[in-house]
Amino acid sequence: QLHLQESGPGLVEPSETLSLTCTVSDGSISSSSYSWGWVRRPPGKGLEWIGSLHYSGSTIYSPSLSSRVIISVDMSKSQLSLKMTSVTATDTAVYYCARRMEWLQFFDYWGQGILVTVSS
Amino acid sequence: QSALTQPASVSGSPGQSITISCTGTSSDVGGYHYVSWYQLNPGKAPKLRIYDISKRPSGVSSRFSGSRSGNTASLTISGLQAEDEADYFCSSYTSSSTWVFGGGTKVTVL
Repeated sequence: QLHLQESGPGLVEPSETLSLTCTVSDGSISSSSYSWGWVRRPPGKGLEWIGSLHYSGSTIYSPSLSSRVIISVDMSKSQLSLKMTSVTATDTAVYYCARRMEWLQFFDYWGQGILVTVSS
Repeated sequence: QSALTQPASVSGSPGQSITISCTGTSSDVGGYHYVSWYQLNPGKAPKLRIYDISKRPSGVSSRFSGSRSGNTASLTISGLQAEDEADYFCSSYTSSSTWVFGGGTKVTVL
């Protein structure tokens, strides 16, 4: 059974960089059959797609976040990472990593999420 | 890309059926067969309940069904059970090759 686990600091100061890691349990992060993405949920609000990364290394980001976000992968560690620069309080959210089969347009496995609070 | 529109809350008694709507545009919900629905419980990983408008993943109860009319997709939960109480989100692939989600609907079992 695939397990995704997000990790990182739960508190980030305004204007700093948010850095999160998602560890994939079954090694499928190295498979060309999958893409990987990040989604967030601000308190009391809906889900927001942040961006996705394909096996080839190509990425696509939400237009509203693209100037501040980088998604990358370390296959040797089976880890997906998210870096978001110049954070503000509006970036406070539960951040989820998720898997998508390359030829399908939905996310079949998700992590349980990690709450990141932006505050001084 | 604007978020898809969902009702904030829907409630029903055990055994009843409820329907959650998800309204988008011709650039997302109405333009592709790629609408999916997710169930979120606090502190747990979101679970896929419906994909490609009306398909159920293996292991998902047949009480969950999906449909679409124009730019509005719907999730119906029949035979409502206490375990169905959760937040539900719709999602759609878009003409920009991105994904958009809904604002979420809180389902309460009375």
